[in-house]
Amino acid sequence: GQQVKQSSPSLTVQEGGISILNCDYENDMFDYFAWYKKYPDNSPTLLISVRSNVDKREDGRLTVFLNKSGKHFSLHITASQPEDTAVYLCAAGPFNTGYQNFYFGKGTSLTVIP
Amino acid sequence: NSKVIQTPRYLVKGQGQKAKMRCIPEKGHPVVFWYQQNKNNEFKFLINFQNQEVLQQIDMTEKRFSAECPSNSPCSLEIQSSEAGDSALYLCASSRDISGNTLYFGEGSRLIVV
Repeated sequence: GQQVKQSSPSLTVQEGGISILNCDYENDMFDYFAWYKKYPDNSPTLLISVRSNVDKREDGRLTVFLNKSGKHFSLHITASQPEDTAVYLCAAGPFNTGYQNFYFGKGTSLTVIP
Repeated sequence: NSKVIQTPRYLVKGQGQKAKMRCIPEKGHPVVFWYQQNKNNEFKFLINFQNQEVLQQIDMTEKRFSAECPSNSPCSLEIQSSEAGDSALYLCASSRDISGNTLYFGEGSRLIVV
């Protein structure tokens, strides 16, 4: 089965609202969780990541919430802007030094309407 | 588990040697992407195909890589003359459509150039 799941393929939010993107994972040994934004040039770029020793991390308008017992993590984008419109990929896996090797979700396409 | 199959998982090459990686996309997915993942977990888009045709590629790929996606055979990405800076994780992803809203990633081929 799929190790990492994004149940919503798409999401539409009004400008200024909160975008909430969700991700579920299967393996309770995973201890590294990340969100990527896929830009028009096709390159997913790391937005924010957390290790399993925290349950929340904030960076500007972005907040990641981690629920280890529920095997779920989410990305909240406050004050959503049209430029936030993109595909967001979640990823999870075991943390290793150096390169990370993840399982990716299928992506959620976020549209922020002005 | 990922249905995008990448081989080999690891390869070690000397500088100047060729390095070839293969990818079998998910069945029924006509679009294939190749990415290079660096130590900061940033992805660099390298090239994509729709069926057997190259759609887009960056300059580096055009000059130094050889890539193809023949029908009924795995896709391949080959560095013609490996350099130290090519050490990275090479990820293949497939999609039903070119917008790539749903990307299915393989587990990657980790290249070390010594």
